[in-house]
Amino acid sequence: AQTVTQSQPEMSVQEAETVTLSCTYDTSESDYYLFWYKQPPSRQMILVIRQEAYKQQNATENRFSVNFQKAAKSFSLKISDSQLGDAAMYFCAYKLTEKLVFGKGTKLTVNP
Amino acid sequence: EAGVTQFPSHSVIEKGQTVTLRCDPISGHDNLYWYRRVMGKEIKFLLHFVKESKQDESGMPNNRFLAERTGGTYSTLKVQPAELEDSGVYFCASRGSGTPRTNEQFFGPGTRLTVL
Repeated sequence: AQTVTQSQPEMSVQEAETVTLSCTYDTSESDYYLFWYKQPPSRQMILVIRQEAYKQQNATENRFSVNFQKAAKSFSLKISDSQLGDAAMYFCAYKLTEKLVFGKGTKLTVNP
Repeated sequence: EAGVTQFPSHSVIEKGQTVTLRCDPISGHDNLYWYRRVMGKEIKFLLHFVKESKQDESGMPNNRFLAERTGGTYSTLKVQPAELEDSGVYFCASRGSGTPRTNEQFFGPGTRLTVL
């Protein structure tokens, strides 16, 4: 069965600095999808970034980028120039068919 | 465009009672998903509808849970009778059809269920 592990329950970063959230997963498949979702306090979960496993190039979305290491089954999220609005729970997720398999989440605090 | 909405936002019930959660997906989205997050654990998939049909209900914990999507619009998730371990946050998500599998699932704000 596919599993997703986020080993950092909590992380903190100073405003304007860079932080990396880690995620590893386990699968025997070769074609799948990976996502990072963000859930701000008391708000809806939104998609931050996605990566197709068949693409070697790492996905980027403005200040958010991933380091996708397929052989190592690692999918970390880098947030550059952190802003106060980045404070949230971040969930890493894997998708093969229709359902998403999530990690436990990392709570990110941004300090002014 | 309105997002995915869920009602109620919070529900506190006693063990043995019945609770019904509702999800309204984004208009026109044929795919609807239910997920649940028990405190301190992963968000787990419960089931997937395509229109009114259940495509995958492999994540439903037991027969105390009943999901419906009559008419292929909104969905309800009924828990009867509720047990203490049912406490958690229940998320609904929707996705448009005719799009790649990578297409985003849009999540609702969740319903926090507390069973006392």
